[in-house]
Amino acid sequence: GESVGLHLPTLSVQEGDNSIINCAYSNSASDYFIWYKQESGKGPQFIIDIRSNMDKRQGQRVTVLLNKTVKHLSLQIAATQPGDSAVYFCAESTGGGNKLTFGTGTQLKVEL
Amino acid sequence: SAVISQKPSRDICQRGTSLTIQCQVDSQVTMMFWYRQQPGQSLTLIATANQGSEATYESGFVIDKFPISRPNLTFSTLTVSNMSPEDSSIYLCSVEGQGKDIQYFGAGTRLSVL
Repeated sequence: GESVGLHLPTLSVQEGDNSIINCAYSNSASDYFIWYKQESGKGPQFIIDIRSNMDKRQGQRVTVLLNKTVKHLSLQIAATQPGDSAVYFCAESTGGGNKLTFGTGTQLKVEL
Repeated sequence: SAVISQKPSRDICQRGTSLTIQCQVDSQVTMMFWYRQQPGQSLTLIATANQGSEATYESGFVIDKFPISRPNLTFSTLTVSNMSPEDSSIYLCSVEGQGKDIQYFGAGTRLSVL
């Protein structure tokens, strides 16, 4: 089976609860951030993005918060569902370029 | 978003051999990217492939080990050469989205080297 999440930090939540996944980035020059969801056996799927001129952006059931002062990014998932179980990666880029640098990832497990 | 197809989806190879992975996208894109995802780890960019020019490799990756072709705006290949068990990984291609900063990924090629 897939071993993507074997060494990753894990967040376990109850179905229906809200999830918060955190990401620290190191490059203060990064100005664009993305969250990806990777299910077992699949490639990363785009969830939501945010530029550095914003501190919050909302999508459908997801919210991304950006704190540039402490170089911290979070993904909030409302009313977490079993289908949200996956590995979540943040990624950053600099200067409008295309090169993405990925964070270490967090395994989200939704318990029924 | 673009539809990206990777072939093969998985393979088991003997050490010392080479494997070529194909990436096909359903629309023309300027930039394509190749990543490696080792077991239990995050994604690491191998190289950026632009049509009509040589690929740009990241630190730690060299053309002799990972030759890349980009013959047109919808297709690219990555070859993993002279494989060893340490090359066992998931190899992913991605393409830039219309917003340019976003990247969309294929399903990946799961490679095991014995």
